[in-house]
Amino acid sequence: AQSVAQPEDQVNVAEGNPLTVKCTYSVSGNPYLFWYVQYPNRGLQFLLKYITGDNLVKGSYGFEAEFNKSQTSFHLKKPSALVSDSALYFCAAQDSGGSNYKLTFGKGTLLTVNP
Amino acid sequence: ETGVTQTPRHLVMGMTNKKSLKCEQHLGHNAMYWYKQSAKKPLELMFVYNFKEQTENNSVPSRFSPECPNSSHLFLHLHTLQPEDSALYLCASSQEPGHQSDEQFFGPGTRLTVL
Repeated sequence: AQSVAQPEDQVNVAEGNPLTVKCTYSVSGNPYLFWYVQYPNRGLQFLLKYITGDNLVKGSYGFEAEFNKSQTSFHLKKPSALVSDSALYFCAAQDSGGSNYKLTFGKGTLLTVNP
Repeated sequence: ETGVTQTPRHLVMGMTNKKSLKCEQHLGHNAMYWYKQSAKKPLELMFVYNFKEQTENNSVPSRFSPECPNSSHLFLHLHTLQPEDSALYLCASSQEPGHQSDEQFFGPGTRLTVL
């Protein structure tokens, strides 16, 4: 069974500082990995994904994530946080060799960027 | 979220009521999904439809009944719900059922409260 862990329920950073939101995964085969963001009263919005190739993936709004196979991690990063980045962030994983389309999500990490 | 719309945005119902949630996607996708989002829990996949055919029922109680009349519309019919069914219900779509790396596009959700 596949699983995704986001070890921090909440992350607080000051505006202008770098941010990291952590994610580790467990899938039986090679993973497809995703980050989504959810703003209040909104659905999830796709940020970026790792399929294959370069371990550093760049996405929307200046976010990037690094795939680390040995540590089974896919941490989300941004060099300089904005107050508008405050939201709920979800990591998700899918088995690339699986026959279904099931995305497994983490519990989410609430990011608060303080002015 | 103009790509995937959901109605109503908020719904309060008693345990004996019957109601339906509606989802429509304007993206030309062929796969649609229902998720349940409860506080401090991972998103729970409920149902998956590919080309109007249900391909996954994730052990969802029969008081939830999905319907997919065409690739653009998805319904979730509700009857005799329990208070623990109160949650945010999210609809999503993706382009091709066989392309597992396709990101999913989410609607804004229906906030359901069961009294």
